[in-house]
Amino acid sequence: EVQLVESGGGLVQPGGSLRLSCAASGFSFTSYEMNWVRQAPGKGLEWVSYISSTTNTIYYADSMKGRFTISRDNAKNSLYLQMNSLRAEDTAIYYCARLRLTRGGRWFDPWGQGTLVIVSS
Amino acid sequence: DIQMTQSPSSLSASVGDNVTITCRASQSISTYLNWYQYKAGKAPKVLIYAASSLQSGVPSRFSGSGSGTDFTLTISSLQPEDFATYYCQQSFRTFSFGGGTKVEIK
Repeated sequence: EVQLVESGGGLVQPGGSLRLSCAASGFSFTSYEMNWVRQAPGKGLEWVSYISSTTNTIYYADSMKGRFTISRDNAKNSLYLQMNSLRAEDTAIYYCARLRLTRGGRWFDPWGQGTLVIVSS
Repeated sequence: DIQMTQSPSSLSASVGDNVTITCRASQSISTYLNWYQYKAGKAPKVLIYAASSLQSGVPSRFSGSGSGTDFTLTISSLQPEDFATYYCQQSFRTFSFGGGTKVEIK
């Protein structure tokens, strides 16, 4: 079974740091591009970051540039998101998602269950 | 950045109704448009990818259409398990989501 399991969320003070992890299983992690997506309370889905299978290409949403760093360890089948200088508005459920590709399309499937990050003093 | 505008933001419908949700991109995105279903406490689930392709395992009452800038998700004969929030997503240039459409029980 293809599965993604996030961990590392929790309560952190404004200005603090947190590292999220996403453990992949049931598929060849090395072959897939990956993403982080978040959903703040009462808000919609927001794409956070993308990383290619070989880490050669990385993208961030503008509001995350310079504060968040995406990485992966293909030997450990794991995806990471290092979050620094956290703000209250970063409070959200963070999901990892695998990127699927076809001619004329790219989509996220599956998604993990998410890990909750709360930024508060 | 490509902006995605979804409408309506919410709607009330009854079981058995046909429901249509629209999504407009701020520039042409060809068919790089996906639809997801989201229920609180669960992982988002893809319904339609590449504008009109039905994801394996998704009921055929879900359908998608459109290309360029205007897209539609249609749910034919709404079922109780379909009450949820739906998001469109463009994947033409990085990624971005629409604001969501909450489908509620009338």
